[in-house]
Amino acid sequence: DVKVTQSSRYLVKRTGEKVFLECVQDMDHENMFWYRQDPGLGLRLIYFSYDVKMKEKGDIPEGYSVSREKKERFSLILESASTNQTSMYLCASSKGTGAPYEQYFGPGTRLTVT
Amino acid sequence: GENVEQHPSTLSVQEGDSAVIKCTYSDSASNYFPWYKQELGKRPQLIIDIRSNVGEKKDQRIAVTLNKTAKHFSLHITETQPEDSAVYFCAASMRGSSGSARQLTFGSGTQLTVLP
Repeated sequence: DVKVTQSSRYLVKRTGEKVFLECVQDMDHENMFWYRQDPGLGLRLIYFSYDVKMKEKGDIPEGYSVSREKKERFSLILESASTNQTSMYLCASSKGTGAPYEQYFGPGTRLTVT
Repeated sequence: GENVEQHPSTLSVQEGDSAVIKCTYSDSASNYFPWYKQELGKRPQLIIDIRSNVGEKKDQRIAVTLNKTAKHFSLHITETQPEDSAVYFCAASMRGSSGSARQLTFGSGTQLTVLP
């Protein structure tokens, strides 16, 4: 079974704090993704990575950065957390090339910024 | 970039009835269309997908249809059961540029409630 894990299920941080969310996958997938999920907005792509040390901006990268130093691990960084970053954050991974294209999701981290 | 619109946002059906969720996409280069189901408190999981060279695909009680000309695709669930209650997301994807990943653009989701 593909397993994607995230470092925390719930996180409460204060405005201005630096926040790290970590994601680990055990399927040797090349691609990894960070989404945020908000009611009525679906899943919006923040950043993704298709290889170690490679990253690309998604649709809403402002206020976020990412790091991928190892193939199995993809980190999302909020440099200075703000209240509008309160959300559910989902990590996903997928195979690098060719079908199947399925993305496997982690359980999510519910981040609250106060 | 790609834009995916999904309707309705909420859908209630009686157990045993059918449910239909519709999505439209904007970029004619999109060629892969998955549907994900997210039960309350759980992670999204792929339930069915279709590629642009196919018009319809079925898997037991669920089916997906694709109209490339009109740029819309639909999820059909027949003989609905209470365990079908969940949020359903459609998505569209195109082949990534050389060396890059295939991204998904998701719709806003449909909360399906199956009433016993």
